[in-house]
Amino acid sequence: KQEVTQIPAALSVPEGENLVLNCSFTDSAIYNLQWFRQDPGKGLTSLLLIQSSQREQTSGRLNASLDKSSGRSTLYIAASQPGDSATYLCAVREGSGTYKYIFGTGTRLKVLA
Amino acid sequence: NAGVMQNPRHLVRRRGQEARLRCSPMKGHSHVYWYRQLPEEGLKFMVYLQKENIIDESGMPKERFSAEFPKEGPSILRIQQVVRGDSAAYFCASSPVQLGNTIYFGEGSWLTVV
Repeated sequence: KQEVTQIPAALSVPEGENLVLNCSFTDSAIYNLQWFRQDPGKGLTSLLLIQSSQREQTSGRLNASLDKSSGRSTLYIAASQPGDSATYLCAVREGSGTYKYIFGTGTRLKVLA
Repeated sequence: NAGVMQNPRHLVRRRGQEARLRCSPMKGHSHVYWYRQLPEEGLKFMVYLQKENIIDESGMPKERFSAEFPKEGPSILRIQQVVRGDSAAYFCASSPVQLGNTIYFGEGSWLTVV
C-alpha cells in the first residue's frame, strides 16, 4: 500500500533563504508526482508535475526533483519570500490506469520577513 | 474559464442533520473527484464520478455518504445524519479526461458539525 510522507511537518525560515522540502513514497511504481500549494482555508494549487520518466521540473524559483528508485522527491524554493508561506503537499499517482492521488500530510512553511 | 466551483464554502450543521456539498467542474470537464481532508491529515480520495455514473466509490464511508453527478447540474456530495467526525474540508477536483495529467481542485467546502 502506497504511503507518502513529508518531512519536516513544519518549517520557519527567514526571508531570502533557500530551502528544501522532502517527500518520500513507499512504492516506486508511480506514474507521476505533483507538488501543490495550499493556503489556509483555500484549495490546492498545482505547482509542479513530474512524470515518472523525468528527473526534475522547474518553474520560476521552484525546482522539483524525482528519484523514483529511492522513492524520494524534493521541492527546492530559492530566495524564499513571505508570500511563499503556505502548506506544501506532495501527491503521487500510482499508475497510468489509475486516477487517484495519494497525498502526504504536507509541510507548513512560514517565511519570516 | 472559471475554475472548479464549490459551494457552500463553509457549512455548519448540528449532529443528525444532513449536509449537501456542491461542485461544478471546470467547463469542458466531465470527470469529478471528491477528496476529504480531516484535521491534521492528508487528503484522502473518496469517489470518482462521470456524468450519471459512479466510477469508483472505494473511498466513501459505507454509510451515510452518497454522491451523484447528474446529467444537468453540479456534482453533489451528500452526508446524512452528520456526526462530529464528519467535520473536515471536502475538496472537489475535475479533469477533462479520465486519465488526464492534471486535475484541478476547487477551494473546498469546510463542514463543521456542532
